Amino acid sequence: DAGVTQSPTHLIKTRGQQVTLRCSPKSGHDTVSWYQQALGQGPQFIFQYYEEEERQRGNFPDRFSGHQFPNYSSELNVNALLLGDSALYLCASSRTSSRGTGELFFGEGSRLTVL
Amino acid sequence: AQSVTQLGSHVSVSEGALVLLRCNYSSSVPPYLFWYVQYPNQGLQLLLKYTTGATLVKGINGFEAEFKKSETSFHLTKPSAHMSDAAEYFCAVTGYSSASKIIFGSGTRLSIRP
Repeated sequence: DAGVTQSPTHLIKTRGQQVTLRCSPKSGHDTVSWYQQALGQGPQFIFQYYEEEERQRGNFPDRFSGHQFPNYSSELNVNALLLGDSALYLCASSRTSSRGTGELFFGEGSRLTVL
Repeated sequence: AQSVTQLGSHVSVSEGALVLLRCNYSSSVPPYLFWYVQYPNQGLQLLLKYTTGATLVKGINGFEAEFKKSETSFHLTKPSAHMSDAAEYFCAVTGYSSASKIIFGSGTRLSIRP
């Protein structure tokens, strides 16, 4: 049973570019959440997708956008990259029934470096 | 709104010694509380969680935590540290109405001395 898979694992971009990160949730999960983890910090909630809609959003600018597909996989897009966007981006999946109880399963993350 | 404060960004203990990682929370609604562990170059793994009921929660790898409402604390303990426990530990909180919008603390790095 595959867990949460993310791609790419590492990538380097320059300021002003755009990036797309991808996530496949754990089998049987229908909700995907994205987190940003800067070096030495805890994960910061970006947004959550369920039924192909953004359900909740953290304190991130509109440069951060996402999408969820009918097969529950998800993409995170970041436009006009800034140096401060350099971080580990974590995808977490869960089942609808467990959305209130924290049963999040995390991928290993995509490490983005902005030069 | 919810928030979490983890006291001590780095804790070092000897192998076999007691592990105590401190977490205090703030929540405007009854909280659900969690501890996650992150090993190097890996994602986060759930160690244990408190939702309702018994305030002493047992998790994986011999860890446990006690919810103390009067102290707004949820400290993580393990009676005897093992070298394999070296990792980053995150305390996290959500409220039922937040539907798994989980707020994480800044983390505590646990080192184990031989």
